Amino acid sequence: NAGVTQTPKFQVLKTGQSMTLQCAQDMNHEYMSWYRQDPGMGLRLIHYSVGAGITDQGEVPNGYNVSRSTTEDFPLRLLSAAPSQTSVYFCASTTSNQPQHFGDGTRLSIL
Amino acid sequence: SQQGEEDPQALSIQEGENATMNCSYKTSINNLQWYRQNSGRGLVHLILIRSNEREKHSGRLRVTLDTSKKSSSLLITASRAADTASYFCATNKRGNNRLAFGKGNQVVVIP
Repeated sequence: NAGVTQTPKFQVLKTGQSMTLQCAQDMNHEYMSWYRQDPGMGLRLIHYSVGAGITDQGEVPNGYNVSRSTTEDFPLRLLSAAPSQTSVYFCASTTSNQPQHFGDGTRLSIL
Repeated sequence: SQQGEEDPQALSIQEGENATMNCSYKTSINNLQWYRQNSGRGLVHLILIRSNEREKHSGRLRVTLDTSKKSSSLLITASRAADTASYFCATNKRGNNRLAFGKGNQVVVIP
């Protein structure tokens, strides 16, 4: 099992550009989530999904969109990147209140 | 909203010493989880302790939970250089898989 796979690992964008961060898991977990990690802030929940076709907002959803068309994939979209979205993004998955499995993150810089 | 709050936030110890980190939270929880993050990597689950448990062990790790004080502690015994990492607590409320993370403790173990 690969676990949770995030791509790309690094990305540099210009302000106003759009991009999609990919997340895939092969554990058949129903619950997936996106976090951002900023220095001194811990991890903050952006969006989450409790199953295919169901998504909801977390703590800091503004500027981000998500969709969940399959159990395996949970992409995060930045429609118009802003410097404030420079961060490290982590995707995680879990099932039935078990510990979460994290990907290795996407390091995103917005100039 | 952010629930876990670890204390202290940075800890530097000699190899072989014990390291203790504390975490406090504000509302009722289903379980509390501790994660480790090595530099440049994703979070790795260490221990999950449920609200009806008071203490849990895993190898050199010992976690306690005091629901009356809304606090938890993580003890690493006989620390090793490989224990150098950031440690996060995260709380899970009843009925969902969402986690609220603390800001993390950075632990440096000096060989």
